Amino acid sequence: DQQVKQNSPSLSVQEGRISILNCDYTNSMFDYFLWYKKYPAEGPTFLISISSIKDKNEDGRFTVFLNKSAKHLSLHIVPSQPGDSAVYFCAASGVRQGAQKLVFGQGTRLTINP
Amino acid sequence: NAGVTQTPKFRVLKTGQSMTLLCAQDMNHEYMYWYRQDPGMGLRLIHYSVGEGTTAKGEVPDGYNVSRLKKQNFLLGLESAAPSQTSVYFCASSYSNVRDTEAFFGQGTRLTVV
Repeated sequence: DQQVKQNSPSLSVQEGRISILNCDYTNSMFDYFLWYKKYPAEGPTFLISISSIKDKNEDGRFTVFLNKSAKHLSLHIVPSQPGDSAVYFCAASGVRQGAQKLVFGQGTRLTINP
Repeated sequence: NAGVTQTPKFRVLKTGQSMTLLCAQDMNHEYMYWYRQDPGMGLRLIHYSVGEGTTAKGEVPDGYNVSRLKKQNFLLGLESAAPSQTSVYFCASSYSNVRDTEAFFGQGTRLTVV
């Protein structure tokens, strides 16, 4: 049972345009979400996060939007740059049994074309 | 600044062989995690540790054992490898267990069981 879903395995965007990556979740108990970026042969690195008490969080070119009623979040990258080409994972975060538990989506491979 | 280091980066095992994956972090983090990543799936939590000398089961613990004898090291063991354990393994660490904590990942270990 995939609790966090990224339904687009891949996305191709022209340099300078907006990239929109989507993520859906099923468990309404999730109240914090993070986006991680992963380059080939490297581990994921934290990109941006959002709490369920907000509907938007912005950090430079990256903005994450949260629609709780739809159980949907999206990551916007504007303008897209070639260095943004990577796999992006969204994750729902919770605390159980004394540790942070991250539930990851399948990932979306973003390719920025020059 | 090394961060999280995994050893080895690649390994090929025969069915039934055993091996240990080593994760070392130099950030003095209390919390450490082992994940596996399979095609079309997000990262899934195998085992985790909330401090030196502690371990606990994650989402997919069967076939794996772990130990955290020193705070900076978290070992993942496969006693009798199976082809279903072919995967990319990621270790992560974090300084806190709250839901907005950023996890730091190693570069991954690609394991193939033949």
